[in-house]
Parts: sequence; C-alpha cells; structure tokens
Amino acid sequence: EAQVTQNPRYLITVTGKKLTVTCSQNMNHEYMSWYRQDPGLGLRQIYYSMNVEVTDKGDVPEGYKVSRKEKRNFPLILESPSPNQTSLYFCASTPGQGITGELFFGEGSRLTVL
Amino acid sequence: AQSVTQLGSHVSVSEGALVLLRCNYSSSVPPYLFWYVQYPNQGLQLLLKYTSAATLVKGINGFEAEFKKSETSFHLTKPSAHMSDAAEYFCAVSDRAGGYNKLIFGAGTRLAVHP
Repeated sequence: EAQVTQNPRYLITVTGKKLTVTCSQNMNHEYMSWYRQDPGLGLRQIYYSMNVEVTDKGDVPEGYKVSRKEKRNFPLILESPSPNQTSLYFCASTPGQGITGELFFGEGSRLTVL
Repeated sequence: AQSVTQLGSHVSVSEGALVLLRCNYSSSVPPYLFWYVQYPNQGLQLLLKYTSAATLVKGINGFEAEFKKSETSFHLTKPSAHMSDAAEYFCAVSDRAGGYNKLIFGAGTRLAVHP
C-alpha cells in the first residue's frame, strides 16, 4: 500500500530534550516536506526537500533540522524543543521536484513539549 | 507573495443543503490551486485541484470548485451536504513565484452538518 508513515504518532517530552520524528514514504517520490498545524493558522511549511541531499527552509524553520540521506526518509529533528513547538506535525511527499500535483500526507505526529 | 484567505472558520449547514466554502488567493502568476479535507485524527487528503485546464474542477465525494481569475477565487461547493462531509477543509496554492516548492494553506474552515 502506498503511504507516508510517521513515528511517533504521539509524544510528550520536556524542554530541551532532543527528539526526532521519522517520516518514510514507499512511493519513490522526489519531493518531501514537513508542516506544522496550529489552530487558526492552517498548515505552515517547516522544511522541504526536492531530492536526496537537497533541502531548504520553508516558512517556519527556526528550531528544526532535517536531513535527506535516502530518498524514502525525511526525519524532522528538534535539537532543543521548546513549548512553542507543541503542535501537530505532518510529513508529505509528491512525485517530481515541485508541488504541481497531489501531496500525500502522513497521519500526523502530535507533539507536546512541557 | 502567495497567500490564501478562507472566509469563515466555521460553517454550519443542514443535511441536504448547499455547501459553499470560500477561498481567495493572492498570486502573481497563474497558480495551482487545491482543496484538501481533514477528517478527525487523520492526515489531509486531496479533494480536487486546478492546474490551468478547465476552470470548473470536479473532485471526489460530489465536490467541485470554480477558478475565477478576475475574482482570484476558488470556492468549493457541493449541492447537497451529507453528515459524512463534516470535517475541516483547507484551500492551498502553489505557484511559479515560489518555484512550486511551497504549498501555502489557508487557515481552514470547519464544516458542521446537522440533521
């Protein structure tokens, strides 16, 4: 089954404790992206990647890191989480190197930073 | 700069009534436009997309949207609401000015359908 898989789905952590949210897609898509969803703000792009070893900042990259060492994986790293990073996070992918068609979303990872 | 405005954060309709969710965009070049739906505790799934072909776009579950360049609008409609349509709906834009690398979302409209 074609899918984008995120882990963990739910996580409660404390300020400053490094964490990684993994994202994997099995559709051989070039483009991958991370979004955060906050009430009243919709989804905002954190980082995106057009292909292996190619990443760039989205609209809200502060406090986040990403890497794209393999085509299928695009982990989101919070080196020192803070309470304002409490949010619902989505990973997404699409074929090609830009968003001209459907983005396929994971089921989301709800992160709480205390 | 790209932006998307969805008028009305909450819309409530009766079952069987017309659904109209409004979306206006700002883009300096012809955009790609999308409507996504999010059911509770799920990711987003594509309802329909406009990619510069026909201005009236039909999507899944009986939804459609019309691209009106003069009004910079892409409103979503459905003639008759079902209880199962209750969800949050997001309008989004991607355009060449952003290198098609960014999908800018509106704030979302939560649709409630009552009997």
